[in-house]
Amino acid sequence: SQTIHQWPATLVQPVGSPLSLECTVEGTSNPNLYWYRQAAGRGLQLLFYSVGIGQISSEVPQNLSASRPQDRQFILSSKKLLLSDSGFYLCAWSVQGVWEKLFFGSGTQLSVL
Amino acid sequence: GESVGLHLPTLSVQEGDNSIINCAYSNSASDYFIWYKQESGKGPQFIIDIRSNMDKRQGQRVTVLLNKTVKHLSLQIAATQPGDSAVYFCAENDSGGSNYKLTFGKGTLLTVNP
Repeated sequence: SQTIHQWPATLVQPVGSPLSLECTVEGTSNPNLYWYRQAAGRGLQLLFYSVGIGQISSEVPQNLSASRPQDRQFILSSKKLLLSDSGFYLCAWSVQGVWEKLFFGSGTQLSVL
Repeated sequence: GESVGLHLPTLSVQEGDNSIINCAYSNSASDYFIWYKQESGKGPQFIIDIRSNMDKRQGQRVTVLLNKTVKHLSLQIAATQPGDSAVYFCAENDSGGSNYKLTFGKGTLLTVNP
């Protein structure tokens, strides 16, 4: 069966520090991969999605970037964190060609202080 | 703009009662709808989905109803249990439009009282 791993679960970082969140998927090949952010008490905002290695689409301009160095690995990065980057970050995957049904990771709670 | 929203941000029910969580959508072209359950500090879990060619779909203790006329979606949970306490999100997709992403509502917090 397919599983998605996301780490770390929680992270506290100072303003201006770099960020790297990693997500890997097992049990499937060539998945669509996504990064979402969820602000407290709010819905899910799509940040990036990828349909293949090295293919990244950005939904909103911001202080973050994403990379997909391997088929089942998706990384969310920042060179310098801002206070506004705080939030709950979720990685998700879907079957290639099937955009609708997403499977989410357990999330990373990022606090930028 | 097009959006997916929820009528009630919070819902409190007694254990054993049935719960109904509502969702309104505004994009008449949406043809796929999905419900997720999110427990505190965890990622959303898939519950049930429905396509626009159906008006009802049942799962284990859950039923999703779709009324395309009034653009309304609901999730019914039978015999609600304490483990059902969570935030429930609806989401929609227009497969003919920007079909690479779901549009999520803000969520409804369901609290089950023992």
